[in-house]
Amino acid sequence: GNSVTQMEGPVTLSEEAFLTINCTYTATGYPSLFWYVQYPGEGLQLLLKATKADDKGSNKGFEATYRKETTSFHLEKGSVQVSDSAVYFCALTHRNAGNMLTFGGGTRLMVKP
Amino acid sequence: KAGVTQTPRYLIKTRGQQVTLSCSPISGHRSVSWYQQTPGQGLQFLFEYFSETQRNKGNFPGRFSGRQFSNSRSEMNVSTLELGDSALYLCASMTFAGSNTGELFFGEGSRLTVL
Repeated sequence: GNSVTQMEGPVTLSEEAFLTINCTYTATGYPSLFWYVQYPGEGLQLLLKATKADDKGSNKGFEATYRKETTSFHLEKGSVQVSDSAVYFCALTHRNAGNMLTFGGGTRLMVKP
Repeated sequence: KAGVTQTPRYLIKTRGQQVTLSCSPISGHRSVSWYQQTPGQGLQFLFEYFSETQRNKGNFPGRFSGRQFSNSRSEMNVSTLELGDSALYLCASMTFAGSNTGELFFGEGSRLTVL
């Protein structure tokens, strides 16, 4: 079956540091890949997505590239802010699976001023 | 534009009881999905409804059920509650299942505590 593995947190960084959150997946075929973010007390929000190999998703300074050869979709940001503190979830689905997303365990990011 | 609204936000039940959670999707959204979030198991897919029909179902026992009404509002029900059902239940909606598959809008969730 499908699975998503994320690096365990918490990840603690100082403001303006470079961020990488690793995500690897196991799936048949060519799934669509997503990063969702959950701010304290809120529901999940879609951060970015990629639907085919070598696609780069980007939003709010975050980006991730769909790497089929390494089955990875690592999240990066060049300079984090305190407001980026949240839990980040990597997820995948297949077109024929509708909105049945498979999520990773989540990585908590804490950014200190 | 109002977001996904879930009610109640918090509730406490005892083992053996049943519970019904409600979800009002974003206006115009016809697809509604439900997820269970727990510290141990993370986010797990429960079911998805589109135009009042269940499209997909996750690996949960039959005690978990759901339905969708003609106005796209959805409810999920858990019968014979167990301690392990304590979780945050998240509802998500999207316009329709198509090219934007997976691009979900989530509510803030209903936090269920089973004593």
